[in-house]
Amino acid sequence: DAEITQSPRHKITETGRQVTLACHQTWNHNNMFWYRQDLGHGLRLIHYSYGVHDTNKGEVSDGYSVSRSNTEDLPLTLESAASSQTSVYFCASSDPTGFAFFGQGTRLTVV
Amino acid sequence: AQSVTQPDIHITVSEGASLELRCNYSYGATPYLFWYVQSPGQGLQLLLKYFSGDTLVQGIKGFEAEFKRSQSSFNLRKPSVHWSDAAEYFCAVGFNYGQNFVFGPGTRLSVLP
Repeated sequence: DAEITQSPRHKITETGRQVTLACHQTWNHNNMFWYRQDLGHGLRLIHYSYGVHDTNKGEVSDGYSVSRSNTEDLPLTLESAASSQTSVYFCASSDPTGFAFFGQGTRLTVV
Repeated sequence: AQSVTQPDIHITVSEGASLELRCNYSYGATPYLFWYVQSPGQGLQLLLKYFSGDTLVQGIKGFEAEFKRSQSSFNLRKPSVHWSDAAEYFCAVGFNYGQNFVFGPGTRLSVLP
């Protein structure tokens, strides 16, 4: 079955380090998204991509970057991790009908 | 700009009671509307979606939702809540044919035995 997977599921890192969160989908969707989830804020869009080599900034993109070298993967990089980036991160992809599929999430703690 | 509001942050109901979770959106055209459920430590699972047609849509786990264009609402309902329904519920608006989504802040549902 097609799926979307995120790794790692949990990560602890130190302030100032670069961190990359992986997202891999086997749905062959062009559209992929990264969200962060924080108490009281729901899901907020970080970055998104509509296809290979396409990337766009979302609502809370500062301090994050993404790259899209193939259809299946959209890794999220925190250039220099900050405590404010402690959060749960969700990757999603969507099909042409508008249905978004979500990964299981990555819990990131920056100490 | 598109937005989604869920007026209730936390709702507590007794098992077997009926449930209605509210969702209002702001979007100029006909939106795609979704309800997702998130259990603790889990990702989001789609409960139901509305794209067009019948304004009352049925979803999984006995949930239904009604799209009311005049009220810009898409409220989620269940006639009889089960303890396993305790979770966080998110309403979302999709637009541009699945190219963008906006989520509400979520409503946490607690179920009393």
